[in-house]
Formats: sequence, C-alpha cells, structure tokens
Amino acid sequence: DAEITQSPRHKITETGRQVTLACHQTWNHNNMFWYRQDLGHGLRLIHYSYGVQDTNKGEVSDGYSVSRSNTEDLPLTLESAASSQTSVYFCASSGRGEQYFGPGTRLTVT
Amino acid sequence: DQQVKQNSPSLSVQEGRISILNCDYTNSMFDYFLWYKKYPAEGPTFLISISSIKDKNEDGRFTVFLNKSAKHLSLHIVPSQPGDSAVYFCAASVRGSQGNLIFGKGTKLSVKP
Repeated sequence: DAEITQSPRHKITETGRQVTLACHQTWNHNNMFWYRQDLGHGLRLIHYSYGVQDTNKGEVSDGYSVSRSNTEDLPLTLESAASSQTSVYFCASSGRGEQYFGPGTRLTVT
Repeated sequence: DQQVKQNSPSLSVQEGRISILNCDYTNSMFDYFLWYKKYPAEGPTFLISISSIKDKNEDGRFTVFLNKSAKHLSLHIVPSQPGDSAVYFCAASVRGSQGNLIFGKGTKLSVKP
C-alpha cells in the first residue's frame, strides 16, 4: 500500500543546531507540503513543492528550507534551530485532490 | 487575516446525537472544501470533501453542507460515536492551485458515552 512516512518521530535538539526532518512518500504524488501544528494556530504551511527541483515558501517559512531532488522525498531543514521552532511537523502529499499526511515529527528545541 | 475560520475550539456531544461542526471562509475564490480528522499523535486523515458546484455531500454518517452565499460550511455526524472524538479541521482551496490547502484552527469534538 502507498504511504507517507516521516523520521524521526521524536527529536530533541539544542538551539543553534541544524536539524533535518525526513519525509518519504510512495504515492508518486508530484505535490508535497510541510506544515507545523501549534496550539491555537492549527496547521500552518511552511514550504511546498509541485515537483522535482520546485520549491515554494509558505506562510511561516523563515528559518526553514527544503529541497526536492526526486519525487519521493522532501526533507525539511532548520538551519539554526530556535526555541520558537518547537512544534509538531507534518508532511503531506497530494495528486489533484486531497492531501495525505504523514504521522508527524515532534521536535523540541532546548 | 484568517481565510478559514472555525470559531468553536471545542464541542461536546452525547453518544447517538448529532454533532455539527462549523466553518466560515472569507475568500470567494475558494471552490473546494475538505474536512480532516486528527487523533492525538497521528497525522490528519481526510474525511470528506465538497466542490462548490454542490451544496451537500454525504458519506455514511458524515454529511458536509455548503452555503456559498453565506461562505459557510458545516460537517454533520449522525449518530455520533465515542470513536469520533478527535480534532476536526476544515480546509479550503482554489481548484487549479495544485492542492494548496488553507486550514482552520480546528474544533475538538468530544463524544461522551
């Protein structure tokens, strides 16, 4: 069965460190998205990609970057982790309709 | 400026009764609406959608109603079950935007036995 996976599921890091969260999908979807979920804010879009070599900034992109070298993967990098980036991060992919979400990565920046 | 609003952070309903979750939007370009359900420690899962050419879409116990003139949609769950207890997100997009969704902040539904 097709799926979307995220790793790690939990991560604790220190302020200033570079962190990369992995997202892998086997739906063969062109579109991939990264969100963060925080209390009182719902799901906010960080970055998205419509295909290989395509990346776009979302609503809350500052401090984050993505790269798309193949269809299956869209890693999210925090260049220099900050305490404000403590959150739950969700990756999603879509064809032309609804998005399918991964299980999430809980990131704590201390 | 929130384009998709879920004004009720929480809702409590008795098992067997109807649950009604509401969502308002401001962008008249939105023409595709979705509801997602999220359990703790899991990713959101797609529940039901509706295109702006319809005013109702039904899937088992779940029905979504769309009132375009009021820019309002609602999700009805009948009958409600304890397993429906979750956070429900409303989302909207413009067709042709390649799946970009704008999400509301969510409503936490508690169904009591």
